[in-house]
Amino acid sequence: GENVEQHPSTLSVQEGDSAVIKCTYSDSASNYFPWYKQELGKRPQLIIDIRSNVGEKKDQRIAVTLNKTAKHFSLHITETQPEDSAVYFCAASENNQGGKLIFGQGTELSVKP
Amino acid sequence: DAGITQSPRHKVTETGTPVTLRCHQTENHRYMYWYRQDPGHGLRLIHYSYGVKDTDKGEVSDGYSVSRSKTEDFLLTLESATSSQTSVYFCAISESTVNTEAFFGQGTRLTVV
Repeated sequence: GENVEQHPSTLSVQEGDSAVIKCTYSDSASNYFPWYKQELGKRPQLIIDIRSNVGEKKDQRIAVTLNKTAKHFSLHITETQPEDSAVYFCAASENNQGGKLIFGQGTELSVKP
Repeated sequence: DAGITQSPRHKVTETGTPVTLRCHQTENHRYMYWYRQDPGHGLRLIHYSYGVKDTDKGEVSDGYSVSRSKTEDFLLTLESATSSQTSVYFCAISESTVNTEAFFGQGTRLTVV
């Protein structure tokens, strides 16, 4: 089955800097890659996703890149703000079934003012 | 937010007792999922459903069973709770294999003593 590895487990940046979180996956059949943000005590919420027919996707300060050959994808947050502080999870999905997600272990991002 | 309600939100139970968690949705989405979240493990899929009476196992299904007798309700049962099942449980829903975004419920914090 699919296995998703996520790095780093913790990341601390200064406000205004960029943050990058990386994930690798094992199953070449995976074709949907969402990123979730989870604030303390809250539910995970989708912030951006990418499908395997696209190499990059942007939404304001957030971007995701996908390298199918290397089986890795990354989340890029530019101009970080204190409200970006949270745990971020990457995930991969098989067979186009978006909710049947295999998650990475999570990255705790801390943005210092 | 998508209409997903989990109940109860918090529960403390004794080892060996049966426990049922409920997930109720008002979105008429076909797919429903149960995940557990533990530190260092991200979210792991327990069971999922792709329609009424259609369910299947996820990554960590041992000790859990599910039922879905109506589109809107997905029940997770711990037949005989153990301390290793202390966790936060999240229900998620997704619409279809085309609209694959997964929405999560608020979570249920279960403690087995």
